[in-house]
Amino acid sequence: EAGVAQSPRYKIIEKRQSVAFWCNPISGHATLYWYQQILGQGPKLLIQFQNNGVVDDSQLPKDRFSAERLKGVDSTLKIQPAKLEDSAVYLCASSSRGRSQETQYFGPGTRLLVL
Amino acid sequence: AQKITQTQPGMFVQEKEAVTLDCTYDTSDPSYGLFWYKQPSSGEMIFLIYQGSYDQQNATEGRYSLNFQKARKSANLVISASQLGDSAMYFCSLCYYNAGNMLTFGGGTRLMVKP
Repeated sequence: EAGVAQSPRYKIIEKRQSVAFWCNPISGHATLYWYQQILGQGPKLLIQFQNNGVVDDSQLPKDRFSAERLKGVDSTLKIQPAKLEDSAVYLCASSSRGRSQETQYFGPGTRLLVL
Repeated sequence: AQKITQTQPGMFVQEKEAVTLDCTYDTSDPSYGLFWYKQPSSGEMIFLIYQGSYDQQNATEGRYSLNFQKARKSANLVISASQLGDSAMYFCSLCYYNAGNMLTFGGGTRLMVKP
């Protein structure tokens, strides 16, 4: 069974530029999560999708971050414009149904550096 | 709000010895789950073990076991017979029932296995 796929693996941009990350969850998983992991910290949830609907986006900086999962499968996270403090690893995870205490499976992450 | 604390930023262990990684948490919700993840330098979060708050026995998965002390709100990870490949960051995380499936992570512990 293929795991969670993410691309690109690395991205370097200048501040005020835009960037997009892509995630393809494990086949059949209804729930998809985007986490931000700043160096030296644990991951922090940005947004959670159930199929193509948003379950929780309370920690997503909506003035510059956006995410979509139009067909309920793969997802895109965008930052526009990027700031220096957005430098982090962006992790995508998926779980089968999004039920409480269900195991989440993570992708390899995208490492973003904003100069 | 729930909080996860991992007090050991870094630890060394001799190969083939056992090691305990500490995790304490704070939640007022009686129904919750605790997850441990391993993050090697490649960046992917690898699920290790899960403990539900109502589970009567401590969870075990191969060389991993969880020393769950509910009254003390601690969920320490025990790795037996350490291997060089165990060198990585280890994250404790909490999921509680009323928040869907959102994980809150601790700050992590870096484990280094010495040959």
